[in-house]
Amino acid sequence: SAVISQKPSRDICQRGTSLTIQCQVDSQVTMMFWYRQQPGQSLTLIATANQGSEATYESGFVIDKFPISRPNLTFSTLTVSNMSPEDSSIYLCSVEAGTYGYTFGSGTRLTVV
Amino acid sequence: RKEVEQDPGPFNVPEGATVAFNCTYSNSASQSFFWYRQDCRKEPKLLMSVYSSGNEDGRFTAQLNRASQYISLLIRDSKLSDSATYLCVVDGRRQLTFGSGTQLTVLP
Repeated sequence: SAVISQKPSRDICQRGTSLTIQCQVDSQVTMMFWYRQQPGQSLTLIATANQGSEATYESGFVIDKFPISRPNLTFSTLTVSNMSPEDSSIYLCSVEAGTYGYTFGSGTRLTVV
Repeated sequence: RKEVEQDPGPFNVPEGATVAFNCTYSNSASQSFFWYRQDCRKEPKLLMSVYSSGNEDGRFTAQLNRASQYISLLIRDSKLSDSATYLCVVDGRRQLTFGSGTQLTVLP
């Protein structure tokens, strides 16, 4: 199955700033997915990123807050903009891995102070 | 009603015990089903896919009942290393929906 390199693994940021999270996949994939996992919660899909088109956002998530780039079939970024303490979460990217289900990046643990 | 509902847990069981987790899903059009395992401060990792015919992988057995929209996971002969959160995951045309997870602690 695909291997994903996600970075940064963690960061502590000041409110009002932005953080960009990167995911690099070792193979070409059509779709990449971005999730958020708030403390003590399960994963919630933020958006689906296709190469060459705008990302598709789930209810409750907007492009201005979580802009996504997908410049090619192996790479994507998610930016958390104008952060507030409520954005403190783990952010994970994911790709489909065929019969292996879905593979996840190791996650970015974000703390906003 | 949540799209994917799991046993609330937590489950605390002794080593060697058999433990079963249940999960129900609301979208009858769901295509694929998985159990993922998530260790503390780690990303989810696929434990096994779930098929209508049932599938077994060593000490783990997963079962799907499409008519009842019900998924189960059975762990036999629990090990300390099985301690983790188990996530029931339903795939509806490339959109994963996660259950809230069931925490398992295997005690020595």
